[in-house]
Amino acid sequence: EAEVAQSPRYKITEKSQAVAFWCDPISGHATLYWYRQILGQGPELLVQFQDESVVDDSQLPKDRFSAERLKGVDSTLKIQPAELGDSAMYLCASSLDSYNSPLHFGNGTRLTVT
Amino acid sequence: QKEVEQNSGPLSVPEGAIASLNCTYSDRGSQSFFWYRQYSGKSPELIMSIYSNGDKEDGRFTAQLNKASQYVSLLIRDSQPSDSATYLCAVLPGGSYIPTFGRGTSLIVHP
Repeated sequence: EAEVAQSPRYKITEKSQAVAFWCDPISGHATLYWYRQILGQGPELLVQFQDESVVDDSQLPKDRFSAERLKGVDSTLKIQPAELGDSAMYLCASSLDSYNSPLHFGNGTRLTVT
Repeated sequence: QKEVEQNSGPLSVPEGAIASLNCTYSDRGSQSFFWYRQYSGKSPELIMSIYSNGDKEDGRFTAQLNKASQYVSLLIRDSQPSDSATYLCAVLPGGSYIPTFGRGTSLIVHP
């Protein structure tokens, strides 16, 4: 079964450093999502792409976070500078479309900021 | 703000029992509903999707949707210790392309 690929699986960084996460969605999936999940809470959307266009980034802290999906396939999420409160699981998901298709998640990146 | 509410639990059931997990949502126009299972430290995995009122069965899992009462539930029959996980409810609100997740219900199945 096709999977969403994410890397790295784990990342430890010091505050004020830059960090980047990569995601490759399931082939043919037009919609890509980045979610952040804090322990004990549900995933919260950071940014949603439809092909290469941003559909929603209203919850993305744009002073430090950026996301791109230049060719409408894989995507990168960057944090610069990282803060202690950014420690969380960062989840990438993709879906066939954004209308009613379920999301398929990658393994996630566990970020620890020290 | 469109909300999805779940009891955080934990819900504890004995092995072999039926586990019932509930989710309510605020947006009456919501059309698509999903249940995910998430093991500790892992990412969510899709269990079921449901779009119409009524029941939908898949193996030991049954999703139930009642749009008039704005709730969706997941029943797990013959619960096994391997079902112990957090179950996330996700809703696609009407007129929105952004799936919203509840905080999840922790299920513990004890032998």
